Amino acid sequence: GAVVSQHPSRVICKSGTSVKIECRSLDFQATTMFWYRQFPKQSLMLMATSNEGSKATYEQGVEKDKFLINHASLTLSTLTVTSAHPEDSSFYICSVFRRTSSSYEQYFGPGTRLTVT
Amino acid sequence: AQSVTQLGSHVSVSEGALVLLRCNYSSSVPPYLFWYVQYPNQGLQLLLKYTTGATLVKGINGFEAEFKKSETSFHLTKPSAHMSDAAEYFCAVSESTGANNLFFGTGTRLTVIP
Repeated sequence: GAVVSQHPSRVICKSGTSVKIECRSLDFQATTMFWYRQFPKQSLMLMATSNEGSKATYEQGVEKDKFLINHASLTLSTLTVTSAHPEDSSFYICSVFRRTSSSYEQYFGPGTRLTVT
Repeated sequence: AQSVTQLGSHVSVSEGALVLLRCNYSSSVPPYLFWYVQYPNQGLQLLLKYTTGATLVKGINGFEAEFKKSETSFHLTKPSAHMSDAAEYFCAVSESTGANNLFFGTGTRLTVIP
């Protein structure tokens, strides 16, 4: 069954509005979640690392004031795209980080397709 | 620093033929290596991963990959392609020493011809 859920799966919004995307860890508590962006026919690019109870760590070139991340609980991280513009249209994917005794793994959500008109 | 190179953005094979998707990595520390599959408008699903131990790793759906340190490669193979294998495949690398960021290749789109 699904380990990570995202909501909504698709969203269309008007330029200048804000959109919130939720990422939930269904099977275990996650202190670390990741947010990726994927443009058409391209690979995933890490946007930020979301840490429960602390500020997110953003990758170079990602505006923290535009892409607000809140990781308020061990099962939920949210990404808010503020004042969205058409160039923000993309596929946003979250992942949940899980460390085991021998290794670690990221479990990916199904993604959210954002279209800004 | 880590990086991944996937040779061939598109690969086409006939149904029943061997699938070979190439991945070479660069890492300054011992790597963890992953192959993910992505179907249209969906997230990523883990096919297999190498962390430590046996260098030939078997994954889901009949796929396997071999970690070759001397060649810095982690090529993905499947003996016989099925129509359902048509998808985008991503190779990824991360550090084994604590950092957990995944660095993805640019992906290879696999087309299976009936």
